[in-house]
Amino acid sequence: QVQLVESGGGVVQPGRSLRLSCAASGFSFRNYGMHWVRQAPGKGLEWVAVIWYDGSNKYYADSVKGRLTISRDNSKNTLYLQMNSLRAEDTAVYYCASHGVSGTTGAFDVWGQGTMVTVSS
Amino acid sequence: QSALTQPASVSGSPGQSITISCTGTSSDVGSYNVVSWYQQHPGKAPKLMLYEGNKRPSGISNRFSGFKSGNTASLTISGLQAEDEADYYCCSYAGRSTSFGSGTKVTVL
Repeated sequence: QVQLVESGGGVVQPGRSLRLSCAASGFSFRNYGMHWVRQAPGKGLEWVAVIWYDGSNKYYADSVKGRLTISRDNSKNTLYLQMNSLRAEDTAVYYCASHGVSGTTGAFDVWGQGTMVTVSS
Repeated sequence: QSALTQPASVSGSPGQSITISCTGTSSDVGSYNVVSWYQQHPGKAPKLMLYEGNKRPSGISNRFSGFKSGNTASLTISGLQAEDEADYYCCSYAGRSTSFGSGTKVTVL
């Protein structure tokens, strides 16, 4: 069964750090690009970052550039999001999503259940 | 990465057809970017409904169809059913950048 499971969310003070993880199973994780997408409470979806299948390329939304870092460990089938210098506006549910696992070109076909990050003093 | 423009809400009665528009620019929707559509029920993760503008993943009803013309993509739901009530998002993917639409709440009257 193809599955993504996020973890690591919680309540953190402004300026502090947090690392999210996304464990993949049921597909060849090392062969696919992976993304983080977030959704602030009551708001729409916002793309955060992408990492190529082999980790060779990483791209970020302007709103998180320089503060959030995407990475992956293909030996552990795990995706990460290191979140530094957190701000109140980073409060959101964070989803990891795979890209094209089912042959769906240019689309996020598998999503995790999401993990909530709350930045508050 | 500016959000693509969608109507805030669309409604219809059971059995009717509705269409949701997604307007971008020549740099995203109007270019070679790949357009996809997602359905999201409250408290749930998004679900892929269409990819490459008009292709359905396995298991998605043929009541969902897509079209693109110029800088605007659209999603049509035919034979509207109660379970279609949800939020819908379009998405333009370009490898190095991705933009989601602002989201449309579909209400089944």
